[in-house]
Amino acid sequence: DQQVKQNSPSLSVQEGRISILNCDYTNSMFDYFLWYKKYPAEGPTFLISISSIKDKNEDGRFTVFLNKSAKHLSLHIVPSQPGDSAVYFCAASVDGSYQLTFGKGTKLSVIP
Amino acid sequence: GAGVSQSPSNKVTEKGKDVELRCDPISGHTALYWYRQSLGQGLEFLIYFQGNSAPDKSGLPSDRFSAERTGGSVSTLTIQRTQQEDSAVYLCASSTYRGSNEKLFFGSGTQLSVL
Repeated sequence: DQQVKQNSPSLSVQEGRISILNCDYTNSMFDYFLWYKKYPAEGPTFLISISSIKDKNEDGRFTVFLNKSAKHLSLHIVPSQPGDSAVYFCAASVDGSYQLTFGKGTKLSVIP
Repeated sequence: GAGVSQSPSNKVTEKGKDVELRCDPISGHTALYWYRQSLGQGLEFLIYFQGNSAPDKSGLPSDRFSAERTGGSVSTLTIQRTQQEDSAVYLCASSTYRGSNEKLFFGSGTQLSVL
């Protein structure tokens, strides 16, 4: 039973446009969410996080939105750049827990 | 080194053989994690170390899997009598402190292929 779901395996976006990556979760105990970015042959790198006490967190071109009632979060990248092309993983945990539950990832391709 | 180092980067083995995967975390990071990613799947938690102790081994898929950490630093993940379903990328990560609020720093992983 997948507790963190990324239903879009891939996404293509034109350079300069907005990329929106979606993530749904089923476990209502999750209260901390993270996005990781992974390039081929490299390990995932931390991108941005959000606590359930917030509904938005912004860091430069990256913004994460959290809708607790819908158990849904999204990552917005504006403007998208070719260097953003990577696999993006959504992850969730119960605050204070060491164990992250990851989604299967969404492969983003930003077309020049 | 500057980041988490894993070796080997690739390992091809025959079914039934034992393998050892090594992880060198970032110096000073007390927490160490092992995850694996099977083809088309998300990252699956295996085990977590705080210092040399592993308070949670529940993610290990079977008793063929074991891990240890010595000196609060290097960790070894051992898979005995490998099976084809063990084929995956094994990722090690470290962080400064216990807890998911601390972002994890991942190594590049070991691609294990069991023939």
